[in-house]
Amino acid sequence: QSALTQPRSVSGSPGQSVTISCTGTSSDVGRYNHVSWYQHHPGKAPKLMIYNVNKRPSGVPDRFSGSKSGNTASLTISGLQAEEEADYFCCSYADNHIFIFGGGTKVTVL
Amino acid sequence: EVQLVESGGGLVQPGGSLRLSCVASGITFSSYWMSWVRQPPGAGLEWVANIKPDGSDTYYVDSVKGRFTISRDNAKNSLFLQMSSLRADDTAVYYCATGLYDSGWYPDYFDSWGQGALVTVSS
Repeated sequence: QSALTQPRSVSGSPGQSVTISCTGTSSDVGRYNHVSWYQHHPGKAPKLMIYNVNKRPSGVPDRFSGSKSGNTASLTISGLQAEEEADYFCCSYADNHIFIFGGGTKVTVL
Repeated sequence: EVQLVESGGGLVQPGGSLRLSCVASGITFSSYWMSWVRQPPGAGLEWVANIKPDGSDTYYVDSVKGRFTISRDNAKNSLFLQMSSLRADDTAVYYCATGLYDSGWYPDYFDSWGQGALVTVSS
């Protein structure tokens, strides 16, 4: 199965909101509510930011939110902060117990 | 605090073998699904394999089936990935991660991650 489709990059000024899309198919994003999002600073361990479409793990600010419509999931970062400049990856559970990740989106804080 | 520490990465020739290890601390390791996820240079993440808490079930991405084996030693809080018949496109940073589920029995997402081990397949 093909990787989920994410924009290569998005940018915003501090305090602004940015939204990252993640487009899959009816066999993954569209079928299951098991979409998760990860923040990755290069050289560090990836960090879970959102799971099961819109749930936030303990310790993740409520400025991070997730949603899904059809085959497309989205991550919104409100009130963008400098330290949130990183790569963000979406992931979906898919048929036959596999997982598919997106290609990643680089978020730049202007 | 959960800590996952990978080791065993390095340079290997095409067709060769390598064994990655991941030691966990801060969790009851034997209660967790564990996973390997990799990131080729300049590319996105790719899920590689999952293993059930007791080691009785394993799942793999098609591209590594028959070449990679995920296993674990719960007595040593350790996860392994035995890689054989390695190819250039296996070159990646390999992360171990805990797999959690909100309901059901199979992981929905990956919670804690290690910092990764670099595997380079080149002659």
